[in-house]
Amino acid sequence: GQNIDQPTEMTATEGAIVQINCTYQTSGFNGLFWYQQHAGEAPTFLSYNVLDGLEEKGRFSSFLSRSKGYSYLLLKELQEKDSASYLCAVKDSNYQLIWGAGTKLIIKP
Amino acid sequence: DAMVIQNPRYQVTQFGKPVTLSCSQTLNHNVMYWYQQKSSQAPKLLFHYYDKDFNNEADTPDNFQSRRPNTSFCFLDIRSPGLGDAAMYLCATSNGADTQYFGPGTRLTVL
Repeated sequence: GQNIDQPTEMTATEGAIVQINCTYQTSGFNGLFWYQQHAGEAPTFLSYNVLDGLEEKGRFSSFLSRSKGYSYLLLKELQEKDSASYLCAVKDSNYQLIWGAGTKLIIKP
Repeated sequence: DAMVIQNPRYQVTQFGKPVTLSCSQTLNHNVMYWYQQKSSQAPKLLFHYYDKDFNNEADTPDNFQSRRPNTSFCFLDIRSPGLGDAAMYLCATSNGADTQYFGPGTRLTVL
């Protein structure tokens, strides 16, 4: 079966750095996405990785290792508005998105 | 601004009373998706349209139907909502297999 694993919940302090991990086992791989979802709202696109390595976009970076079936989302200089769920999703061999359940990130002052 | 629009944002219906949710897009994307998402769970794909081609997920109940009359609009019909159908319904669009962009969602309450 296909599976995406990420921690259920993480807590971090304002101004700090947090790394949210995602491991996947899918039938084929055509890219990995990270989405941010605030409570009661729709997911918004953050990043896309299809090749190994680090993609940096402002305070957010995303890393991919295809051989390990592993990705992480790195958030720097955390702000209160970063409190949200972060969803990892992998596009499989049929170009369907397989979603993780999301990691709820709580930012404390 | 190009966007994905969902109406209504909140829908309350009675057990067994049919309801229709709508989605429209100005992105001119050829693929439109309907997802169901329950609290603290991953979005669950119900079906998607690739242009006019309808693709139903194997485990989507027959109670859920969809229509796409043109490129811009897509509708989700729930023929006889049950209490278990209370959820957030998300519409998304993409250009082929590219990144999916979501509308704001419709939260459905079933009384």
